[in-house]
Amino acid sequence: AQKVTQAQTEISVVEKEDVTLDCVYETRDTTYYLFWYKQPPSGELVFLIRRNSFDEQNEISGRYSWNFQKSTSSFNFTITASQVVDSAVYFCALSEGGKLIFGQGTELSVKP
Amino acid sequence: AAGVIQSPRHLIKEKRETATLKCYPIPRHDTVYWYQQGPGQDPQFLISFYEKMQSDKGSIPDRFSAQQFSDYHSELNMSSLELGDSALYFCASSLITGQETQYFGPGTRLLVL
Repeated sequence: AQKVTQAQTEISVVEKEDVTLDCVYETRDTTYYLFWYKQPPSGELVFLIRRNSFDEQNEISGRYSWNFQKSTSSFNFTITASQVVDSAVYFCALSEGGKLIFGQGTELSVKP
Repeated sequence: AAGVIQSPRHLIKEKRETATLKCYPIPRHDTVYWYQQGPGQDPQFLISFYEKMQSDKGSIPDRFSAQQFSDYHSELNMSSLELGDSALYFCASSLITGQETQYFGPGTRLLVL
């Protein structure tokens, strides 16, 4: 069965620190899609990135970067120079035939 | 850009009552998904529709039903509500099920008393 594990339940950092959120997945599919979503305190789910299994190129978007390693089934997310506005729950997800299977989420708290 | 619209945003019901949640997908998106997120939990897939036909079903109780209409909006009908149904219900939409990014609506927060 497909599974996503986010071992870090909560992370607390001070503003301007770098922080990495870990995501490990399990799948038997050869083609699959991985996602990161952000859920701020207001509750909505905000799409951050989508990566397909054939594209192992790392991606950087501003202060955000993602490291996809198929060999270790990991798709980690790094925030550089964190800000208070980054405080949220972050979910890693795997697409299984369309539906998303989410990890348990990592609650990130960035203190001023 | 237009986003997914959900209504109502908040809903309070008594046990054993019924509730109907509505979802209006992003224009031209042909697939709608429903998820349930309990307090402190990750979102759990309930059901999806592609071109108005049910495409997949997850852990959706028999008391719940859903459909997608000709204008692609979708409704989630919940009957005989239980306290445990209190949750945040998300609708998401995408183009071409299984291949494209799902964009989520703001959610409907349901409280069953």
